[in-house]
Amino acid sequence: ETGVTQTPRHLVMGMTNKKSLKCEQHLGHNAMYWYKQSAKKPLELMFVYSLEERVENNSVPSRFSPECPNSSHLFLHLHTLQPEDSALYLCASSQDRDPADEQFFGPGTRLTVL
Amino acid sequence: AQKITQTQPGMFVQEKEAVTLDCTYDTSDQSYGLFWYKQPSSGEMIFLIYQGSYDEQNATEGRYSLNFQKARKSANLVISASQLGDSAMYFCAMRDAADTGRRALTFGSGTRLQVQP
Repeated sequence: ETGVTQTPRHLVMGMTNKKSLKCEQHLGHNAMYWYKQSAKKPLELMFVYSLEERVENNSVPSRFSPECPNSSHLFLHLHTLQPEDSALYLCASSQDRDPADEQFFGPGTRLTVL
Repeated sequence: AQKITQTQPGMFVQEKEAVTLDCTYDTSDQSYGLFWYKQPSSGEMIFLIYQGSYDEQNATEGRYSLNFQKARKSANLVISASQLGDSAMYFCAMRDAADTGRRALTFGSGTRLQVQP
């Protein structure tokens, strides 16, 4: 596979469930990102990992817990979510070497919290 | 803090015509990058074009060109010869060029473009 992949593509969960979103990049990049896209709001940055170290946590509630075990994989662990957390969660990666390095996005996981 | 403003929630264009999508930005940084992404209904964000703040020429990529006016802090996207497949959400984004680890993008609210046959 090439590019950035995300699984699952769709997820429905109850507020008491625990689930994880997975992102994998096959581009040899050294930075990975989680973004949240809610209806009628701009994309919001959640977390940034550079060289497997978390370098930015954008005031995200603790019910979202990221994990970056290596430069190719990024997880977002979810627990006790709220209905307002329903959104499209996008993963991205970049080379993080030059300002012109674009971010490559995965197809997203559409999350619905009941 | 950086801010991106896209004032056109929706735009219509006839097939084969050109369309301009507006983007203005606000930053105190001297060095920064501006990006345009396309998001079809499938959800994936597709990179279209990049403009660096020190680039003297407007960026072009095929049918896409960026009308960069630094003094006005605008970076409008021009799509020439629109095609039905261009119907999508379009996002303007920027990133400061300072520190490694601050490479995350700040996005605008997007413009929904609909190309009519």
